[in-house]
Amino acid sequence: GAVVSQHPSWVICKSGTSVKIECRSLDFQATTMFWYRQFPKQSLMLMATSNEGSKATYEQGVEKDKFLINHASLTLSTLTVTSAHPEDSSFYICSARDQAGYAWDTQYFGPGTRLTVL
Amino acid sequence: DQQVKQNSPSLSVQEGRISILNCDYTNSMFDYFLWYKKYPAEGPTFLISISSIKDKNEDGRFTVFLNKSAKHLSLHIVPSQPGDSAVYFCAASAENTDKLIFGTGTRLQVFP
Repeated sequence: GAVVSQHPSWVICKSGTSVKIECRSLDFQATTMFWYRQFPKQSLMLMATSNEGSKATYEQGVEKDKFLINHASLTLSTLTVTSAHPEDSSFYICSARDQAGYAWDTQYFGPGTRLTVL
Repeated sequence: DQQVKQNSPSLSVQEGRISILNCDYTNSMFDYFLWYKKYPAEGPTFLISISSIKDKNEDGRFTVFLNKSAKHLSLHIVPSQPGDSAVYFCAASAENTDKLIFGTGTRLQVFP
């Protein structure tokens, strides 16, 4: 089946630093990738939708200057949390949609990245 | 404003019996619903879906029921197996949107 990887799987950083999270589709091409955030005991909340070669579309309330998204190729999207603060500590999950299909069941999720900001 | 709600954070079921996971939604514009299964340290994996034009969809041991008037859907797993133990999320999308709205998840534990 389709595989989406994320790197790193967990990261601890100091407040004020920036952290980059990578999301890769390993065996398919993804024109669209999604970034979610999940706080403990809460649902996955969509942060932004990124399309290869164009600017990401951010959900209301998500600061685009703080959460920089780059989708430079059909297999890689990156999320950079700039000037991280403790309240940014969360579980970040990406998903990638196989460009061969448009249905929701062709959207595959990565394993997530746990970010802890001290 | 939680548009998709899973009011039971956990459920424990004996092996062989039926597991019923419930999900309620508030947005009448939702027209497609999905269930995902998530193991620890892994991403959610698609399980089964249903369009609003149907009230039931079945795939092996998994059946999803949709009651549009009540804005309620449920996932039935029968017979339940220990390998079904995981967190189950329901999600919904509205027509012509590129967005999934997730519930908070229900942790299912199937014991022998």
